[in-house]
Amino acid sequence: NAGVTQTPKFQVLKTGQSMTLQCAQDMNHNSMYWYRQDPGMGLRLIYYSASEGTTDKGEVPNGYNVSRLNKREFSLRLESAAPSQTSVYFCASSLTSGPGELFFGEGSRLTVL
Amino acid sequence: GEDVEQSLFLSVREGDSSVINCTYTDSSSTYLYWYKQEPGAGLQLLTYIFSNMDMKQDQRLTVLLNKKDKHLSLRIADTQTGDSAIYFCAESNERNNDMRFGAGTRLTVKP
Repeated sequence: NAGVTQTPKFQVLKTGQSMTLQCAQDMNHNSMYWYRQDPGMGLRLIYYSASEGTTDKGEVPNGYNVSRLNKREFSLRLESAAPSQTSVYFCASSLTSGPGELFFGEGSRLTVL
Repeated sequence: GEDVEQSLFLSVREGDSSVINCTYTDSSSTYLYWYKQEPGAGLQLLTYIFSNMDMKQDQRLTVLLNKKDKHLSLRIADTQTGDSAIYFCAESNERNNDMRFGAGTRLTVKP
C-alpha cells in the first residue's frame, strides 16, 4: 500500500522558472493538503482541497496554484519561482476535512537559486 | 492566527525519560496530536488526545493535557536511540478544515 506519493523528491530551479509538484493518494481519502516546512517554523498550510472539485487557500498561498485533478491527485504549481519558496513541501491526505489523522508523503525538497 | 509553540531541541540519555512540551492558544481546540518525523521522511501520527481527556497512555508514550493552561506534553519512557526524531505538536477543531502545527522539537538520544 503506497499511501501518499509525491514527485519529484528533489528539484533545483532558477528564479522565475515554473514547476509542478505532483501528489497522489491511494487510500480513497476525500481531503488533500499541501504544506511547506521551513526550519523553526513548523508546517504551514499552502492550499487544501476538502473534497474533489474544491480548493481553498491556507495560511501561505501567495505564489502557488493548485489543481485537484481527481479524487486521487492534487498538484501544486509554482508559476514563477522565487528564492523565498525554497522549502520542503509535503502533501497530505485525510479521510475527511476537519479533525482527524493526516497521512503524509515523504516530502519534496525544492531549492530556488 | 492561533499558535502552537514548542521548544526546538531536547537531548536525553538512552534509557531516560523524555518530556516534550507544547502550548497552544486556541481554546476551541478539539483534538491535539503528536506526530513524529524521522530523517528524510514525512510525518507520522504517534498519538492523539481529545480535549475532554486529561491523559492518554499508549505503551511507552504518555500524553498529558492541561486544558486550563492549554499545555500538552508527550512523555517517552525508556527512550531509545530509535526515538531520535523531530516531534510535532498539532491541534485541530471542528471549525477549521486544517491542522495547525508547532515548529517541532528535535529529540536527540545519546547512548
